[in-house]
Amino acid sequence: KNEVEQSPQNLTAQEGEFITINCSYSVGISALHWLQQHPGGGIVSLFMLSSGKKKHGRLIATINIQEKHSSLHITASHPRDSAVYICAVKETSGSRLTFGEGTQLTVNP
Amino acid sequence: AAGVIQSPRHLIKEKRETATLKCYPIPRHDTVYWYQQGPGQDPQFLISFYEKMQSDKGSIPDRFSAQQFSDYHSELNMSSLELGDSALYFCASSRGGRNVAGELFFGEGSRLTVL
Repeated sequence: KNEVEQSPQNLTAQEGEFITINCSYSVGISALHWLQQHPGGGIVSLFMLSSGKKKHGRLIATINIQEKHSSLHITASHPRDSAVYICAVKETSGSRLTFGEGTQLTVNP
Repeated sequence: AAGVIQSPRHLIKEKRETATLKCYPIPRHDTVYWYQQGPGQDPQFLISFYEKMQSDKGSIPDRFSAQQFSDYHSELNMSSLELGDSALYFCASSRGGRNVAGELFFGEGSRLTVL
C-alpha cells in the first residue's frame, strides 16, 4: 500500500462541472501539497496545507488531519484545468516529499 | 517574481557519459531538493540541501553526486550515465530546512535523455 493514495486516477469532466480529487495518506505529516503538472513536465504548487481549508480563485483545498485525508475541488471547471494533479506530503520525520500517483484530469469543452 | 531556474532544460547524452544539472533557487531560499521523474512515474526524491549541507538523502545512485554552493545554487552531477537515467529532473526550493514546513517552489525541470 502506498503511503499516499489519490482517487480517482483518471477523471473526465465537461466544462463547468464541479470536480473533486481525493488524497489519503498513512504517515504523520507536517504539510500536504497539491501540485499541478502540465504535459511537458513543469510542476506548479497550488496549495500547501497543514490544517483547515484554503481557497485560490476556483480552487479549494481542504485537509482533515485526524482522518489523514485531503481534497482538492475545482469549481466551474475549464479545459485549461486539464492537467495531472498530484498530492504530496511532507512527513514530520524528514524534509522530502512523498508523492501520490497523480490524477489525470481532462475537461472537455 | 523570480522562480526556481533549472538548466539546461533539455539534455541529450550517450551511455557512460557525464551530465551536470543546475538549479538556482528563489532568492533567500536556503533549501534545495532534487527529484527524478521517470516516464509515467511519480517523482522520486534524490537528495536535499540546507544551508550548503546535505540534509536528506533518498534513492540517489552512487554514480550521482550533488552539492549546494555559497550562493545557494545546487548542481547534480551524474556519471556513467545509463539508459534508465533518462528522466525529468526537478529541483524545488524552500526556506527553513527540514524542520520548517515552508512553501515549495518547483523549477520547470531538466529533461535528460540518454541514448
